[in-house]
Amino acid sequence: NAGVMQNPRHLVRRRGQEARLRCSPMKGHSHVYWYRQLPEEGLKFMVYLQKENIIDESGMPKERFSAEFPKEGPSILRIQQVVRGDSAAYFCASSPPRLARGQNEQFFGPGTRLTVL
Amino acid sequence: KQEVTQIPAALSVPEGENLVLNCSFTDSAIYNLQWFRQDPGKGLTSLLLIQSSQREQTSGRLNASLDKSSGRSTLYIAASQPGDSATYLCALKGSYIPTFGRGTSLIVHP
Repeated sequence: NAGVMQNPRHLVRRRGQEARLRCSPMKGHSHVYWYRQLPEEGLKFMVYLQKENIIDESGMPKERFSAEFPKEGPSILRIQQVVRGDSAAYFCASSPPRLARGQNEQFFGPGTRLTVL
Repeated sequence: KQEVTQIPAALSVPEGENLVLNCSFTDSAIYNLQWFRQDPGKGLTSLLLIQSSQREQTSGRLNASLDKSSGRSTLYIAASQPGDSATYLCALKGSYIPTFGRGTSLIVHP
């Protein structure tokens, strides 16, 4: 019973390159959340997805960032033309289909640590 | 907008002490509250989940309480051990998006 998986665990990019972060939710989970954690700051919500749908992307920067959760395969967080300020830990969490709104527990992956040189 | 504050920001105690970590929030219209543990350079591990209709949850040496009327939750750690050293985060869920506190960094020294 594998937990939430994220890869790569560490990613180094030069300014201007693209970063692709992958998240495979727990088996049976259809909801995926992406968070960013900057040094000395708390976890900040970025985007909430269900299969083939973006439910809420209010925490996502308007430019260069995009996310998807296709019918098959992992969820992808894509950062285009990375800048040094994008250096952070990016966490993915998943939860099962909601039995009641907002009540489900989230399970977190180990994170991807992005370093932009 | 929900604001979550965790006090203290850092705590260093000798092994064996009983601890209380605090989490306060401004909006009591929540669905649940979740306590997490984060080890350096690692992801988050869920410790306890309290639904809004519940007052407390217990797991081993951990006990979490929730008082919505006062906007507070506490995480009680009994007989602390060096292995408890980590950052402890609380997260409030008002809809489907949780709001996290900045955490309490705990060091338990032998």
